[in-house]
Amino acid sequence: QLQLQESGPGLVKPSETLSLTCTVSGGSISSSSYYWGWIRQPPGKGLEWIGSIYYSGSTYYNPSLKSRVTISVDTSKNQFSLKLSSVTAADTAVYYCARHVYPKPGFDPWGQGTLVTVSS
Amino acid sequence: QSALTQPASVSGSPGQSITISCTGTSSDVGGYNYVSWYQQHPGKAPKLMIYDVSKRPSGVSNRFSGSKSGNTASLTISGLQAEDEADYYCCSYAGSSTLVFGGGTKLTVL
Repeated sequence: QLQLQESGPGLVKPSETLSLTCTVSGGSISSSSYYWGWIRQPPGKGLEWIGSIYYSGSTYYNPSLKSRVTISVDTSKNQFSLKLSSVTAADTAVYYCARHVYPKPGFDPWGQGTLVTVSS
Repeated sequence: QSALTQPASVSGSPGQSITISCTGTSSDVGGYNYVSWYQQHPGKAPKLMIYDVSKRPSGVSNRFSGSKSGNTASLTISGLQAEDEADYYCCSYAGSSTLVFGGGTKLTVL
């Protein structure tokens, strides 16, 4: 059974870079057809797609975040990562990782999510 | 790229049917048959309920169904049950390798 698990600091200072990793278990991140995505949810608000990556390194991002986002993959560790630069309080959210089939938005399964707070 | 439009809340009594709409444009919902729906209980990760407009993943109850007409997709839940009370989100492919979510709908089972 495929499982995803987010990890990383729960507190980031304003203007710094948020870094999270998603570890995939029970399957290979190098499976063909599947993309691996990041989605976030500010407290009490809705979901926002951040971006997705293929195991080859091909990426695509939400245009509203593109200038600050980098998603990378490490197939040797079965992990993919998110970096979001120049964070502000507006970036405080639960960050989820999930799998989907490009270009379809059928995210399944999801990680449990990790809360990242931006505060000094 | 604007969020898809969903009603903030809907409600229904046990046993009834409800429908949640998800309105976009011809550039997203109306342009592709790539709409998915998610159920999210408080404090939990979202769960995929419908993909490709109307397909149900294995294990999802057949009380959940999806459809699309023009720029509006819909999620219908029949035989409403207490455990269906949750937030529901739609998501669509929006062209140019981008995805967009709806604002979410809170379903209350009366």
